[in-house]
Amino acid sequence: SYELTQPLSVSVALGQTARITCGGNNIGSKNVHWYQQKPGQAPVLVIYRDSNRPSGIPERFSGSNSGNTATLTISRAQAGDEADYYCQVWDSSTAWVFGGGTKLTVL
Amino acid sequence: QVQLQESGPGLVKPSQTLSLTCTVSGGSISSGSYYWSWIRQPAGKGLEWIGRIYTSGSTNYNPSLKSRVTISVDTSKNQFSLKLSSVTAADTAVYYCARVRVEMVRGVTIPYFDYWGQGTLVTVSS
Repeated sequence: SYELTQPLSVSVALGQTARITCGGNNIGSKNVHWYQQKPGQAPVLVIYRDSNRPSGIPERFSGSNSGNTATLTISRAQAGDEADYYCQVWDSSTAWVFGGGTKLTVL
Repeated sequence: QVQLQESGPGLVKPSQTLSLTCTVSGGSISSGSYYWSWIRQPAGKGLEWIGRIYTSGSTNYNPSLKSRVTISVDTSKNQFSLKLSSVTAADTAVYYCARVRVEMVRGVTIPYFDYWGQGTLVTVSS
């Protein structure tokens, strides 16, 4: 089965750039999607197909995917960006797979 | 704007069947290239995909849960439902329903969850 690996936590200073990684075997050949989940709330799609932002998601959120690592980048981090972030891919043998999630702390 | 709302009992006894319904509003469950899915999240843990259904009735389940899961759809009510049998404490979680948007790009099918319900906590306890 296909597995995705994320760091448990990432910290970023207010106004700086946060990078959250998602590792998987040849993940660059797959389409990666990212979800933001704030405490007590449902996940929200913030990036789809590696680097596309749904309407309403700030331009500060961007994504990339190459080789064995996909990355969610949050520029000019704000206190409101504190949340858990999950990457997700669709795999033909495993169907929908989520990473374990990364807790982003804005200092 | 599509909205999804989960409903069902918040407490289920061990060995019984968990039953939840997701009501879709703001659009027809039968329109467009969408699947409809269930996802769960135990407290303090990550997301686990349970299964999905298309309005034709075709289903696909997580292999780890397949023997206990049934997802069905009622297009007349704009709803889809989840049944999980023989539950244990390990099935205690927040259960989400979600819409799966399906894109085709250069012949490749790309599905992702674009709308989620608010989630409902189901506790398995006697």
